[in-house]
Amino acid sequence: EVKLEESGGGLVQPGMSVKLSCATSGFTFSDYWMDWVRQAPGKGLEWVAEIRNKLNNYATYYGKSVKGRFTISRDDSKSIVYLQVNSMRSEDTGIYYCTTGYYFDYWGQGVMVTVSS
Amino acid sequence: DVLMTQTPVSLPVSLGGQVSISCRSSQSLVHSDGNTYLHWYLQKPGQSPQLFIYRVSNRFSGVPDRFSGSGSGTDFTLKISRVEPEDLGVYYCLQSTHFPRTFGGGTKLELK
Repeated sequence: EVKLEESGGGLVQPGMSVKLSCATSGFTFSDYWMDWVRQAPGKGLEWVAEIRNKLNNYATYYGKSVKGRFTISRDDSKSIVYLQVNSMRSEDTGIYYCTTGYYFDYWGQGVMVTVSS
Repeated sequence: DVLMTQTPVSLPVSLGGQVSISCRSSQSLVHSDGNTYLHWYLQKPGQSPQLFIYRVSNRFSGVPDRFSGSGSGTDFTLKISRVEPEDLGVYYCLQSTHFPRTFGGGTKLELK
């Protein structure tokens, strides 16, 4: 069974940083591209970042609203994908989902991040 | 960025009925590899999105054949026949042909 479980969210002050983790199991993690998608409260889905596999040189891509502040990374030995979020803003508030890339076929349950003083 | 326009925003339906959701992109979604990376998801209240259709017309594992996807280029449609209670929620289209990946704004399928 494929499982993805995000962690690391919570209440964060504006300007501060947080590192989200997504632990996975049930599939060959190292073969997959991985993505992060977020959803502001009551809003639609917004793609955040993607990291490809070793075959694709671990290339990374970012949405325009997060480029320069967010960093996606992965640890194939642990089957975990990370999202480092810096200089947080109120508009970064929302649920952050990790998902298997390509077709976004499997999703975690999401982790809530609230940016507020 | 590729703009994904979904219509309608809200779609009232009777159980057993049939509905169609449109997703139009601001540019062609045909990739240089010849594939079209347009996918459909359902998000039920309080849950994560779940993949229903990938690459325009391919049903994901476990998705009933009441769901069908079609289209090409910039114009795509999701059809649901014989609507059941578990089909209700918000449907999103997603293009993963281009960067940044972009989602449609969502279509809420609800009971009349």
